[in-house]
Amino acid sequence: AQSVTQLDSHVSVSEGTPVLLRCNYSSSYSPSLFWYVQHPNKGLQLLLKYTSAATLVKGINGFEAEFKKSETSFHLTKPSAHMSDAAEYFCVVSGGSQGNLIFGKGTKLSVKP
Amino acid sequence: DAGVIQSPRHEVTEMGQEVTLRCKPISGHNSLFWYRQTMMRGLELLIYFNNNVPIDDSGMPEDRFSAKMPNASFSTLKIQPSEPRDSAVYFCASSKYRVNEQFFGPGTRLTVL
Repeated sequence: AQSVTQLDSHVSVSEGTPVLLRCNYSSSYSPSLFWYVQHPNKGLQLLLKYTSAATLVKGINGFEAEFKKSETSFHLTKPSAHMSDAAEYFCVVSGGSQGNLIFGKGTKLSVKP
Repeated sequence: DAGVIQSPRHEVTEMGQEVTLRCKPISGHNSLFWYRQTMMRGLELLIYFNNNVPIDDSGMPEDRFSAKMPNASFSTLKIQPSEPRDSAVYFCASSKYRVNEQFFGPGTRLTVL
């Protein structure tokens, strides 16, 4: 069965410092993996996706994620946080019981000035 | 493309009233998903359709909830009768295929008094 675990419910960084949001997945086959971002009072927006091509995936707004099969991880990173990055981030894996997407519980990112 | 369109954006109603939420998916997408998001339970998949056919409604809380997709460009989620615990943000999302990335609408914020 497929599942996804976001290891931190809340991450706080200072502006200009690196961001690391951690995600581990479980899948019985090669999954597709996604990161979504949700700004306050907004819908979810796709940041990036992995679909078995390059293991390092670049997304919008300077974010990237690396697929590591040996660690079953898909952590999201950004070299330098910006105030506008403050939002909630969801790690998502494909392949639920009916083949749909499974969402993690989310990590809230706070950025301090 | 206009993206996924949801209406209304905000709905305030009284307990016992019928509520209908509407969604127009992105043209050409053949899968449509209804989600509910609350602080307590996070993002929950309620039901999804593939080619206008409901595939999995196991997330629908109870018989008070029903969803229809009469054609490829329109879906409704109905709550009758509504209860205060139904207060949440309801998102509609669509995708080209079931396991591909989903594109989310802006959501409908429902408040049941």
